[in-house]
Amino acid sequence: QQQVKQSPQSLIVQKGGISIINCAYENTAFDYFPWYQQFPGKGPALLIAIRPDVSEKKEGRFTISFNKSAKQFSLHIMDSQPGDSATYFCAASIGGNDMRFGAGTRLTVKP
Amino acid sequence: EAEVAQSPRYKITEKSQAVAFWCDPISGHATLYWYRQILGQGPELLVQFQDESVVDDSQLPKDRFSAERLKGVDSTLKIQPAELGDSAMYLCASSHQGWYGYTFGSGTRLTVV
Repeated sequence: QQQVKQSPQSLIVQKGGISIINCAYENTAFDYFPWYQQFPGKGPALLIAIRPDVSEKKEGRFTISFNKSAKQFSLHIMDSQPGDSATYFCAASIGGNDMRFGAGTRLTVKP
Repeated sequence: EAEVAQSPRYKITEKSQAVAFWCDPISGHATLYWYRQILGQGPELLVQFQDESVVDDSQLPKDRFSAERLKGVDSTLKIQPAELGDSAMYLCASSHQGWYGYTFGSGTRLTVV
């Protein structure tokens, strides 16, 4: 079922550093690309999302970069903080339906 | 802040027993989703409802899983009989018309022994 490939599986970053998580998709019909953040014992929470008509979207310390021709998108977390330690999932959907998730990246930010 | 409510939070059941999970979406959200998340993996869609109608259940193992949303509000997901491989987190999510982002509940952690 998985149509979205995510890397790396795990990532360790020092406080204040930049965290970068990458995703690649196959289906060119996807038109919505969100990132979700999940803490242990909780459901995923929408962090930031982008449509394919823009190449970048920034919200606070979080930025999505989107490369339509390469069918890739990435999440950048600037000035990473220990509170950012969580599992991050990229996802893609068509018109908001049948959201397909990546396998997740476990981020650890060391103080 | 409005939340998607799920119960129970945790469920331990024996193999071959029946188990049911309940979800109450955010008020006014017409679309409801059930996802299964195996430990260490991303969520996978099981079934999508639009109001009381099933929109997509192509990934639902229909020989043992069933889902309903009788009045178009809350929903129940049932497994009968449960198998060891069903151990996972079962997540419910909802969204409203025209909004692509999903709001997830905290899930039900199922352990089949």
